[in-house]
Amino acid sequence: DQQVKQNSPSLSVQEGRISILNCDYTNSMFDYFLWYKKYPAEGPTFLISISSIKDKNEDGRFTVFLNKSAKHLSLHIVPSQPGDSAVYFCAASARKETSGSRLTFGEGTQLTVNP
Amino acid sequence: ETGVTQSPTHLIKTRGQQVTLRCSSQSGHNTVSWYQQALGQGPQFIFQYYREEENGRGNFPPRFSGLQFPNYSSELNVNALELDDSALYLCASRLGSNYGYTFGSGTRLTVV
Repeated sequence: DQQVKQNSPSLSVQEGRISILNCDYTNSMFDYFLWYKKYPAEGPTFLISISSIKDKNEDGRFTVFLNKSAKHLSLHIVPSQPGDSAVYFCAASARKETSGSRLTFGEGTQLTVNP
Repeated sequence: ETGVTQSPTHLIKTRGQQVTLRCSSQSGHNTVSWYQQALGQGPQFIFQYYREEENGRGNFPPRFSGLQFPNYSSELNVNALELDDSALYLCASRLGSNYGYTFGSGTRLTVV
């Protein structure tokens, strides 16, 4: 049962344009959502997060949008840069649960930003 | 701040063998989690330790076990290795509930 799903395995955009990565979830208990970026041979690095009490969080070029009714979140990167090329993972947690800090990850989306 | 260090980086084992993977967390990081990432998949939660006690477990059999030590290091042990255990194993730790997780670079385990 895939509770967090990233339906696009890959995305290719031109440098300077917007990258939009999407994520859907099924578990209504999830109340905290995160995006991680992963380069080859490195562990995931935290990018940005959003609590379920918000619908938007912005940090520089990165903005995460949350639509709770649709159980959907998206990560916008504007403008995209070649250094953003990596695998992006969406993750969710249900902080009210006993092991509330466990993260449930999506399958990842490979973003390629072309110069 | 030294980050999260995992060892070894790569490992090849034979089916049926046992393996121990190690993780050294930053000082003060009293929560550590282990994840398994199969090829083409996202990381899957194995278990979590808080102050040397397991306090959460994912859908993994008992042959996956762990330990956390007072010096902020931890171990993941896997007994009776199976071919499907081949994956990247990630350790993640954090300072407390109001902090995010820092991941190590992982151990790539290949079971042949």
